[in-house]
Amino acid sequence: AQTVTQSQPEMSVQEAETVTLSCTYDTSENNYYLFWYKQPPSRQMILVIRQEAYKQQNATENRFSVNFQKAAKSFSLKISDSQLGDTAMYFCAFMTVTQGGSEKLVFGKGMKLTVNP
Amino acid sequence: NAGVTQTPKFRVLKTGQSMTLLCAQDMNHEYMYWYRQDPGMGLRLIHYSVGEGTTAKGEVPDGYNVSRLKKQNFLLGLESAAPSQTSVYFCASSYQRGNFNEQFFGPGTRLTVL
Repeated sequence: AQTVTQSQPEMSVQEAETVTLSCTYDTSENNYYLFWYKQPPSRQMILVIRQEAYKQQNATENRFSVNFQKAAKSFSLKISDSQLGDTAMYFCAFMTVTQGGSEKLVFGKGMKLTVNP
Repeated sequence: NAGVTQTPKFRVLKTGQSMTLLCAQDMNHEYMYWYRQDPGMGLRLIHYSVGEGTTAKGEVPDGYNVSRLKKQNFLLGLESAAPSQTSVYFCASSYQRGNFNEQFFGPGTRLTVL
């Protein structure tokens, strides 16, 4: 079974600083996707960034980038120039294909990030 | 496009009552999902559907039933609610275009069972 572990339950950072959120996962599959989702107080799940396992190049989306270490099964998220609007729960997720042919997301427990002014 | 919508946004039930949560999407997505989120936990898959008229069990299906009579709607039913089903429920949908399609989430329904 696939598992996703986010070992840091909570972090805080000053506005404009850089912060890294850690995530490790466990799978025997070779082809999969990894995601970081953001959940602000509104509860809406918002996709931040995704990484294809077969791509060695780390994904970037503006201020967000990942450090994907496939052999170590590690997938950390770096947020540069933190903004107050980055305050949210962050979930690391692993996507796998179900027996029925659709895809399912396996989520970590999440990490609460607070950006302080 | 409204995206993925969920009805209702909040609900309080008494133990043993039944209810249905409605998820609707206007993106013509083939796949639809129901997740639950409990405090200190990530989302866990309850049931999913790969197309109209088809449903399948996810990780935590006990106590729930689902139906997908129309492509755009995915219903989640609780026949006899229990306090353990107090949670926030999220619906999601995605295209069927190869593998690993992005799932789009609804705003969630907060359900409390007393």
